[in-house]
Amino acid sequence: GQQVMQIPQYQHVQEGEDFTTYCNSSTTLSNIQWYKQRPGGHPVFLIQLVKSGEVKKQKRLTFQFGEAKKNSSLHITATQTTDVGTYFCAGLSLGSSNTGKLIFGQGTTLQVKP
Amino acid sequence: KAGVTQTPRYLIKTRGQQVTLSCSPISGHRSVSWYQQTPGQGLQFLFEYFSETQRNKGNFPGRFSGRQFSNSRSEMNVSTLELGDSALYLCASSENSYNEQFFGPGTRLTVL
Repeated sequence: GQQVMQIPQYQHVQEGEDFTTYCNSSTTLSNIQWYKQRPGGHPVFLIQLVKSGEVKKQKRLTFQFGEAKKNSSLHITATQTTDVGTYFCAGLSLGSSNTGKLIFGQGTTLQVKP
Repeated sequence: KAGVTQTPRYLIKTRGQQVTLSCSPISGHRSVSWYQQTPGQGLQFLFEYFSETQRNKGNFPGRFSGRQFSNSRSEMNVSTLELGDSALYLCASSENSYNEQFFGPGTRLTVL
């Protein structure tokens, strides 16, 4: 079945350093979504990418969707302590009946040392 | 709009018992999805309901079931609880399951 792999599982950075998490799917995706979960909280939607090669920015966060629509990345420039949390990608593959399900990656937990 | 609500927030059960969790989606959202979150396995998709119909199902045993009511509220039931069912159960609502998912705070289930 469809799998979404996310690496790394954990990342510790010094405040001010950059951070990147990568997401790879075993199948071509219709779209990919990114979520952030703060410690003790629930996942919160960050962004959705739909087009091949799409790049979107939100302040210090840059999201990319691969040309083949099978991989994606989230890059944070100059991390801050407020960036701490677990970042999940979630890929959607639509079947022939135009139904599908979001498959979440295992998440990357980011720790930022002040 | 009010957010997604889940009840109860915490639950302690013993092996063999059954449990019912409830989720009230954001008003106007017809899709409700359920996920199991554990430290080692991340977010595992359980099932999705849309307009009272189960549209998708994950790879969980038949002990896990759900339903959705005409007002879009959803319940999930786990029968014959096992220790491994201890997890955070999250529900998420959306206008359509392919769009932004709005998660509830979750129900923390502990099975002793």
